[in-house]
Amino acid sequence: QQQVKQSPQSLIVQKGGISIINCAYENTAFDYFPWYQQFPGKGPALLIAIRPDVSEKKEGRFTISFNKSAKQFSLHIMDSQPGDSATYFCAASINDYKLSFGAGTTVTVRA
Amino acid sequence: DAMVIQNPRYQVTQFGKPVTLSCSQTLNHNVMYWYQQKSSQAPKLLFHYYDKDFNNEADTPDNFQSRRPNTSFCFLDIRSPGLGDAAMYLCATSRQGADTQYFGPGTRLTVL
Repeated sequence: QQQVKQSPQSLIVQKGGISIINCAYENTAFDYFPWYQQFPGKGPALLIAIRPDVSEKKEGRFTISFNKSAKQFSLHIMDSQPGDSATYFCAASINDYKLSFGAGTTVTVRA
Repeated sequence: DAMVIQNPRYQVTQFGKPVTLSCSQTLNHNVMYWYQQKSSQAPKLLFHYYDKDFNNEADTPDNFQSRRPNTSFCFLDIRSPGLGDAAMYLCATSRQGADTQYFGPGTRLTVL
């Protein structure tokens, strides 16, 4: 039973466009929501993360929006670049412990 | 640079032949994790060590075992690999109470 549901499974965006990936969770005990980026043949790497006391966090072209009441959070990639082409996983954890991953979204940025 | 190192990067084994994957870290983190990741799927946690304490996930097959001889090293043993065990195996570490997990590059296991 997947604790974090992620959509879409894949998306294609033009260079300079906006990529949006959505995640939803049920367990209200989750208190940490990271996004990991994974390139083919590599391990995942932390991209950006948020805690539920904040509704938005921005780091460069990457923004997390968090809606506690709806139990949803999303990743926005602004001005998408070909180098952003990767698989993105949302995740959630309790007390900074084990991560529950979403199923992943493969993003392809067309030049 | 401090990092998580996995060896080998690629491992080919025969059906039923035991295999050991290794992970080492220079981050001095006390928590180490092993994940299995199949193609186009999310990483699936197999087990983790919190210091020397071993924590097995309920659905991890008995075929998978782990050893952590010291803080820096952790091993994944697959006693009798089946075709369904072909996957990428990822090692990750984190500091106690820290939020970020640092992943190694993974070992791609092929079972013939």
